[in-house]
Amino acid sequence: NAGVMQNPRHLVRRRGQEARLRCSPMKGHSHVYWYRQLPEEGLKFMVYLQKENIIDESGMPKERFSAEFPKEGPSILRIQQVVRGDSAAYFCASSPTSGQGRTGELFFGEGSRLTVL
Amino acid sequence: KNQVEQSPQSLIILEGKNCTLQCNYTVSPFSNLRWYKQDTGRGPVSLTIMTFSENTKSNGRYTATLDADTKQSSLHITASQLSDSASYICVVSLNSNSGYALNFGKGTSLLVTP
Repeated sequence: NAGVMQNPRHLVRRRGQEARLRCSPMKGHSHVYWYRQLPEEGLKFMVYLQKENIIDESGMPKERFSAEFPKEGPSILRIQQVVRGDSAAYFCASSPTSGQGRTGELFFGEGSRLTVL
Repeated sequence: KNQVEQSPQSLIILEGKNCTLQCNYTVSPFSNLRWYKQDTGRGPVSLTIMTFSENTKSNGRYTATLDADTKQSSLHITASQLSDSASYICVVSLNSNSGYALNFGKGTSLLVTP
C-alpha cells in the first residue's frame, strides 16, 4: 500500500515560469491537504480538497496559486509566474476522512522542494 | 490568536541519553494534540495523537504527555538513538474541520551524537 506520492521531489524554475506539483493520496483517501514549509518555519496550511471540490482555500495566496483534485488523477498545486519568495518545500497530506478537526490520521508525502532562481 | 510554541529550538544529546521536548499552546477550542517526527528532507510522520482526556501516550521509546489545563505537552525520548536525529513537531488541532484547524509549531531540531 503505497504512501502519499509527490512529484517532482525537486523543481527548479526561473522567475516568471510556472510550477506544477503533483500529489497522489494514499489508496482509499479522498481528502487532500497542501502545506508550505519555509526554512526554519512551521508548516502552513494552504488548501484542503476532496475529489473535484475545493473545501477550504483560505491559506492560499489570492493570486498565482491554484489547486485541483480531479475525479481521476493526482491533486495538482499550480503556481504561475513564480517569484523567489515561492521557494519552499510543499507538502501534501491525505486522510480517509476529514483529518484536521478530528483524531483522523494525516499521512504526509515526502514533499516537493521548489527553488526559484 | 492560536499559537503553538516549542522549546528548545534545538537540542544536542549523546546517544543513549534521554531528553524531553516541550510544547505550549493557546489553541482553543482544543480537539487534539499530535507529535510528528520529520527527518531531514522527508515528510512528517505521526508519533502520537492525544485527545483532551488523555494524559499520556507511548509509542515505543517515545512518550507524550498532555496537561490540557495548563495547555502544555511534552515528548520524552528514552535511550536515544542516532536515528532519532530529526525535527519534532507539535501540532494542535482546533475542534473544527476548517482549513486552519491544524496549528503547527516550528519544531525542535534534535541531534543525537555518538
